[in-house]
Parts: sequence; C-alpha cells; structure tokens
Amino acid sequence: GAVVSQHPSWVICKSGTSVKIECRSLDFQATTMFWYRQFPKQSLMLMATSNEGSKATYEQGVEKDKFLINHASLTLSTLTVTSAHPEDSSFYICSATQIGGYEQYFGPGTRLTVT
Amino acid sequence: KNEVEQSPQNLTAQEGEFITINCSYSVGISALHWLQQHPGGGIVSLFMLSSGKKKHGRLIATINIQEKHSSLHITASHPRDSAVYICASPGRYSGGGADGLTFGKGTHLIIQP
Repeated sequence: GAVVSQHPSWVICKSGTSVKIECRSLDFQATTMFWYRQFPKQSLMLMATSNEGSKATYEQGVEKDKFLINHASLTLSTLTVTSAHPEDSSFYICSATQIGGYEQYFGPGTRLTVT
Repeated sequence: KNEVEQSPQNLTAQEGEFITINCSYSVGISALHWLQQHPGGGIVSLFMLSSGKKKHGRLIATINIQEKHSSLHITASHPRDSAVYICASPGRYSGGGADGLTFGKGTHLIIQP
C-alpha cells in the first residue's frame, strides 16, 4: 500500500516551453503533497507544499508564477514548469501523506532536461 | 529553520561489516525520516521514527529526541546495500500534521564484496 506514482519519469523539452509533471497517490487519499527538487550532487530541497483544494505554499526563492502547482483532488497534484530554462533541469520528486499522517510516501521522480 | 547534518559523507566497507550512519538536527521535530536513494534517483522510505528504535530486517534506526540525534545501522552489510542514505526531518516544528522535509546531504555507502 501507500504507492505514489509520477509521470513522466523523464522529459526533455526546449527552452521556453512548459512541462507538466503529475503526482498521484494510487491507493490512498492525500490531503498534502510536497514537491522537491534535486540538482546534481546536491541535497533534495523542498519547493512547495500542496494542499488539496487550496493554494500551494512555496518555499523562499521558488517562483510561484514559474512553478505552478495544482492539487485539485485528493489523489492528484501537478507541477507545471512554465517557460522552462536550462537551469530548471533537475530531478523533481513528489511525496504524499495520508490524511492525518506524518509519513511521506515518495514518487519515483521525474528527470527534466531543458535544452 | 531546521539544519540537518549527516556523517560520514562517504563510507566504503567490506561485505559483512556493521555500518553506522549518524544524523543530527537542530529543531525539535515530530518525526525523523531515513531514506534510501539509488543511482537512478528513486527514493525509498526506510523508517519514520519519533522515539526509541525501529528495526526492519538488517536495518535498525534509533533516535534520541533530547540530543536531537539519530543513527541508522546496517548489520551484515551486503553489496546490494550500496546506495545513498539520507536523513530528513520536518523543516519547521508544527506539532501537528506533516511538514515539508529538510534533508541531510546524504551518506554515499559502498559495500565491497
């Protein structure tokens, strides 16, 4: 149980285009989902907290107009990287928590390369 | 903001050795996570603990809340244990519900046959 999927697992896009990444909780309802990113040889960093039915909370330094997060249902959150630039190339990973829980269940991640 | 420090950063050991990875954090937390990341990037949650000790197979995790310190141990290590082990704790202590995690830099573990 407690499986989280992400789609796509990898994507290559051209500079200036937008890319959408989906995060789904497959067998549980997730009121809260988190989006993290990891640049090569660096730690994972929290980008934003996504609560179902409300606006996401972004960490300092993360542009909310560039990284659009939608959490319209209890099983799906999406992250859209708008007007992608090569410096947005990174590994993006989501996690989800069950209602009232602390444990985070991680998706497999999405590797984004912007050319 | 919580600071999470891990040691060692790199560890190479022989198969069968007992492995210890340490983690310290600066802010009181609701729960600490130990994660495993393989070369492809995928993350597996190993433990979440808020007190005492947990065991799963050859893995043992302990936490001392007063000292803000946790350890991950691997007994009878095997080459398949080679991975990056990461500890993570909530970035802010809210006392209720899940919070986004602050991650340590990870320990690169290599177990040689």
